[in-house]
Amino acid sequence: QAHLVESGGGVVQPGRSLRLSCEASGFTFSSCGMHWVRQAPGKGLEWVAVIWYDGSNEYFADSVRGRFTISRDNSKNTLYLQMNSLRAEDTAVYYCARDLSLVARSMDVWGQGTTVTVSS
Amino acid sequence: QSALTQPASVSGSPGQSLTISCTGTSSDVGGSNYVSWYRQHPGEAPKLIIFDVSDRPSGISNRFSGSKSGNTASLTISGLQPEDEADYYCSSHTSFSTLVFGGGTKLTVL
Repeated sequence: QAHLVESGGGVVQPGRSLRLSCEASGFTFSSCGMHWVRQAPGKGLEWVAVIWYDGSNEYFADSVRGRFTISRDNSKNTLYLQMNSLRAEDTAVYYCARDLSLVARSMDVWGQGTTVTVSS
Repeated sequence: QSALTQPASVSGSPGQSLTISCTGTSSDVGGSNYVSWYRQHPGEAPKLIIFDVSDRPSGISNRFSGSKSGNTASLTISGLQPEDEADYYCSSHTSFSTLVFGGGTKLTVL
């Protein structure tokens, strides 16, 4: 059974950096596109970024482009989100999610999320 | 990348049918066959209920159906049940190779 577990969340000061990880199990990680999606407290879902199955392409939401990078290590079945120059508005629960295709189409497996709080 | 437009809330009685709309542009909903719907109960992760406009993942009830006309996608829930009370989100692939979500719709079962 496909399973995703996020880690790395915490409290960080504005302007600092944080790296999230997402460990995958129960499926062929290297055959799926992978996403990060966030949800600010009391707000809706916001798509953040996607990386294709082989890491050949990455795409970002306007709100994070230039500050966040997404990467993956298919040998470790792990997805990453490097978040730099963090702002208060980046405070959210961050979910990693599996795409049901090689690229970016729809998210059929979700982790339980890790909470990031940006505050001084 | 503007969010897709969904009604903030909808409500219905058990057994009724209702439809949630999701309006975008020709750069997303109107130009994509990759429109999805997700259900999220409080404190839980979202769950995929419709993909590719109208397909259901394995295990999802046939009470859920999806469609699209022009720049607007729709989710219809028939035979409304108490456990359908949740937040519902649409998403679409865009011409920029990104994804975009709707603002979400809170469904209340009266």
